[in-house]
Amino acid sequence: GQQVMQIPQYQHVQEGEDFTTYCNSSTTLSNIQWYKQRPGGHPVFLIQLVKSGEVKKQKRLTFQFGEAKKNSSLHITATQTTDVGTYFCAGLGNQGGKLIFGQGTELSVKP
Amino acid sequence: GAVVSQHPSRVICKSGTSVKIECRSLDFQATTMFWYRQFPKKSLMLMATSNEGSKATYEQGVEKDKFLINHASLTLSTLTVTSAHPEDSSFYICSAPPGGGAVTDTQYFGPGTRLTVL
Repeated sequence: GQQVMQIPQYQHVQEGEDFTTYCNSSTTLSNIQWYKQRPGGHPVFLIQLVKSGEVKKQKRLTFQFGEAKKNSSLHITATQTTDVGTYFCAGLGNQGGKLIFGQGTELSVKP
Repeated sequence: GAVVSQHPSRVICKSGTSVKIECRSLDFQATTMFWYRQFPKKSLMLMATSNEGSKATYEQGVEKDKFLINHASLTLSTLTVTSAHPEDSSFYICSAPPGGGAVTDTQYFGPGTRLTVL
């Protein structure tokens, strides 16, 4: 079945450093969504990408959807302590069906 | 923005008892809601789709007699963990698409319920 792999599982950075998490699907996706879950909290929707090669920005966050619509990335420039949390990608296959979540990348930021 | 609430936020119960978790959409109608389970440091696993006015759709491997779902109104879905055992201890989260759409749409998540079964 469809799988969504996310790497790395953990990332520890110094405040001010950049951070990137990558998401790869075993099948072509019709869309991909990104969520952030703070420690002890629940996932909060960040963004949805639909078009091949799409790039969207939210302040210091840059989201990309690959040309083949099988991979995606989230890049944070100059991390801050408020960026701490686990970032999940969630993809929907071209054949429909349910949203499949990646394993998440837990980001910790040292001040 | 769309708000989804969950109650209770935490519950501790003895093995063998049943626990009911409520999921409410506060400022929109949700014909469909989704129930997830999340283990520590793990991803979200979709358990079932709750449909207002009809039976829930369960994912493969999820026991429907164990996890009873009732979607009584356009703003309320309940998940009852029957005869809970320690292995049912987990973080249960519901979600709903504000447009009343599919699991493919943007999801607004409830704050989650942490269940501990002793």
